[in-house]
Amino acid sequence: DSGVTQTPKHLITATGQRVTLRCSPRSGDLSVYWYQQSLDQGLQFLIQYYNGEERAKGNILERFSAQQFPDLHSELNLSSLELGDSALYFCASSVGLGRPQHFGDGTRLSIL
Amino acid sequence: DAKTTQPNSMESNEEEPVHLPCNHSTISGTDYIHWYRQLPSQGPEYVIHGLTSNVNNRMASLAIAEDRKSSTLILHRATLRDAAVYYCTWTTRDDKIIFGKGTRLHILP
Repeated sequence: DSGVTQTPKHLITATGQRVTLRCSPRSGDLSVYWYQQSLDQGLQFLIQYYNGEERAKGNILERFSAQQFPDLHSELNLSSLELGDSALYFCASSVGLGRPQHFGDGTRLSIL
Repeated sequence: DAKTTQPNSMESNEEEPVHLPCNHSTISGTDYIHWYRQLPSQGPEYVIHGLTSNVNNRMASLAIAEDRKSSTLILHRATLRDAAVYYCTWTTRDDKIIFGKGTRLHILP
């Protein structure tokens, strides 16, 4: 158990819809990271937060947004969903920048 | 362009050492190199990290080239439970995380 909790585990929705994925970091970790993993692909870094502030953006689409709240949990919002957004979305946390990351079990998003 | 290059797959016999290479030629001098592995249907799991010198922990060893443009993850005695996808990663100066596509390691009994 990594200590990182992601909800929901599975999400099925239709094109054009909007969803919110939630992540609770490991106790004491200030950094939260979001990744997308498409079928048989590696992990694509989306965005990173540190203690409530956005720290770095990767290959995150404009239709996607995220935030980290004062209690350090984070949410990833995906809107105007397309079939290609179907993927596993992982959240990870670390005590600080550049430190080892601990990953959750992911949310599997299926767009029908 | 920041990137990480790894072989798509490798194969090893059980109880033999395994050397998993990674090329990160655009890494800067202060970026740590991290390795993770992903078992089927699980999130990635931290394996080891290092900056300049070789590192050892209970899971593996990490050998970093003197010019830091490449590194090698060493599993000293592979077991069937080590079959996974292994990712080498590093962080750019603007804090973007660069993941390679990973190496799928097959262990033969």
